[in-house]
Amino acid sequence: EAGVAQSPRYKIIEKRQSVAFWCNPISGHATLYWYQQILGQGPKLLIQFQNNGVVDDSQLPKDRFSAERLKGVDSTLKIQPAKLEDSAVYLCASSGGFITGELFFGEGSRLTVL
Amino acid sequence: AQSVTQLDSHVSVSEGTPVLLRCNYSSSYSPSLFWYVQHPNKGLQLLLKYTSAATLVKGINGFEAEFKKSETSFHLTKPSAHMSDAAEYFCVVSPRYTGKLIFGQGTTLQVKP
Repeated sequence: EAGVAQSPRYKIIEKRQSVAFWCNPISGHATLYWYQQILGQGPKLLIQFQNNGVVDDSQLPKDRFSAERLKGVDSTLKIQPAKLEDSAVYLCASSGGFITGELFFGEGSRLTVL
Repeated sequence: AQSVTQLDSHVSVSEGTPVLLRCNYSSSYSPSLFWYVQHPNKGLQLLLKYTSAATLVKGINGFEAEFKKSETSFHLTKPSAHMSDAAEYFCVVSPRYTGKLIFGQGTTLQVKP
């Protein structure tokens, strides 16, 4: 079974530039998550999708971050304009359902903002 | 509100000695609890999970954790550390039927030869 795929793995940009990350979840998983992991901290949920719809985006900085999940499969997370404090690893995860609570994570996209 | 506190940011053990990583949680209702492991430049991997069945939970690679409701704890243990266990470990609480994971700050496990 293929795992969660993310790209790019690494990205370096200057502040005020834009960046986009892509995620392809495990086939058949209805729930998709984006987490932000700042160095030395635990991952923090940015947004949770159930199929096409947003379940929770309460911690997404909506003035600069946006995310979409077209057709209930792939997802894109965009940051525009980027700030220095956005330097982090962006983790995508997917789940087959709420009951087990088990998430499957991709390897992450590491963003460095200079 | 649910939260989780990992009591040690860094734990160092010698190879072959026991491992104890401590975690306390706060939850209004009976939660699901997990331990995830993150090796350098790798994705997070589930070690084990508690979902209200047996209070002693066995996971992969010889790890286990005990759910103690009276102490609101979910400590992770392993009888004998291996060099390959060196990684970052996260204790996680999940409010039932939400699919959300709330992570602790993480504990770095160092294993010395």
